[in-house]
Formats: sequence, C-alpha cells, structure tokens
Amino acid sequence: SAVISQKPSRDICQRGTSLTIQCQVDSQVTMMFWYRQQPGQSLTLIATANQGSEATYESGFVIDKFPISRPNLTFSTLTVSNMSPEDSSIYLCSVERLARGEQFFGPGTRLTVL
Amino acid sequence: GESVGLHLPTLSVQEGDNSIINCAYSNSASDYFIWYKQESGKGPQFIIDIRSNMDKRQGQRVTVLLNKTVKHLSLQIAATQPGDSAVYFCAENGSGGSNYKLTFGKGTLLTVNP
Repeated sequence: SAVISQKPSRDICQRGTSLTIQCQVDSQVTMMFWYRQQPGQSLTLIATANQGSEATYESGFVIDKFPISRPNLTFSTLTVSNMSPEDSSIYLCSVERLARGEQFFGPGTRLTVL
Repeated sequence: GESVGLHLPTLSVQEGDNSIINCAYSNSASDYFIWYKQESGKGPQFIIDIRSNMDKRQGQRVTVLLNKTVKHLSLQIAATQPGDSAVYFCAENGSGGSNYKLTFGKGTLLTVNP
C-alpha cells in the first residue's frame, strides 16, 4: 500500500473563506482522487486528479467550488472555496497505485465551517 | 449517485463470534469490489477485494462472498475482536464505464462487545 498524508488534519473556518487541503504520497501514482464524507455518511467522489490534465469532476461538483491542482505524481491539492456550513465534512484523498483498481486512502481532513 | 442516510445500519456482536456484514449493489456491470474498514477519526483502510470472476475470496480472518445473480456482497469476519469495531463500507468499481471510479455503499457500524 501507499503511505498518504494530508494537511491539515482538521480545521475550523469561517463562512465565506477558502481552505486548501494538501495530499502527499510516498511514491509516484498516476491517479489520485478526492472524496467528501459528510457526518455519519458514506464517501462521495468529488473528482479524479491526473497529472498533466484537468481534473474530472463528478455530477454535483464544480471546479469553481473545488479547484484541484496536480503538479506532479506525488502531490495534489483540493481547495474548498467560499465555504458555508454545508461544506463541513471530512475530505479524503486516495490513490490508485497498482493498476488493479485498489484505492488507498489518506487519513482525511476534518473541516468545520462556522 | 449513492443514496445515503444519516443513520448507519448497525451490527452488534460478542467478542469471539463471527460477524457477517452485507452489501447490495445495483450495477450489474460492476466487476470489482472492495471492502474497507473505517475506524473513528481515520481514513478507510483496505481489507479485501474480489473480482467478478470469483464468488469467494479469503484473507486473514476475513472472507468475501459475491453473488452476482442477486447483486449481493458479504464480508465475514471470523472470531471477531474488539479491534474490529468500526464502520465497514463496500465499494464497487466499473460503474458507468469508468475503470477506476469507486462507488461506496452506505456503511455498517460493527460494535464488538467484550
């Protein structure tokens, strides 16, 4: 499996501000993913981030709200823009490394928006 | 997308008993399935996977069964231990023609009583 870290691990933010979450992997990976997990719920895919191309967003998620960067094969960022309390969630990055479909997850970033 | 609710299904077992966690999936085109364990405050941890050309796969203390006829997946945990207490998610791959996109189920909260 891959070792994946996320920063920050948690944050409390004010409405209307933006937060950038970082995801770092200990080895090069082609595919990285960003998920949202609302309190007490399952995981929902926000977007797929591939190096060298625009992120691919899922239905209900847009680039203006969740801009993503993927500058190299070990790093990605997700920004939650113009936050509202409804954005309070755990944000998780994952990587698909072995070309078999397995995804390994980071520890998550716990975001609270006041 | 997935339909999720605020209250997870729960399963409570005694330490040492066997646990069976069930999952129904909707897409008959899904060809790869993963079970994840998520402990409180952590990201999902890969447990075991199975491809659609198999109906059973065993790991250490865990067995995954796949019934494609009724689109049902189960995770069996032998001799359940307090450390197994967590939320368990099934995830399917292959939905919508995307090779690497995972769709997660609602999750089941397993509580192991000592």
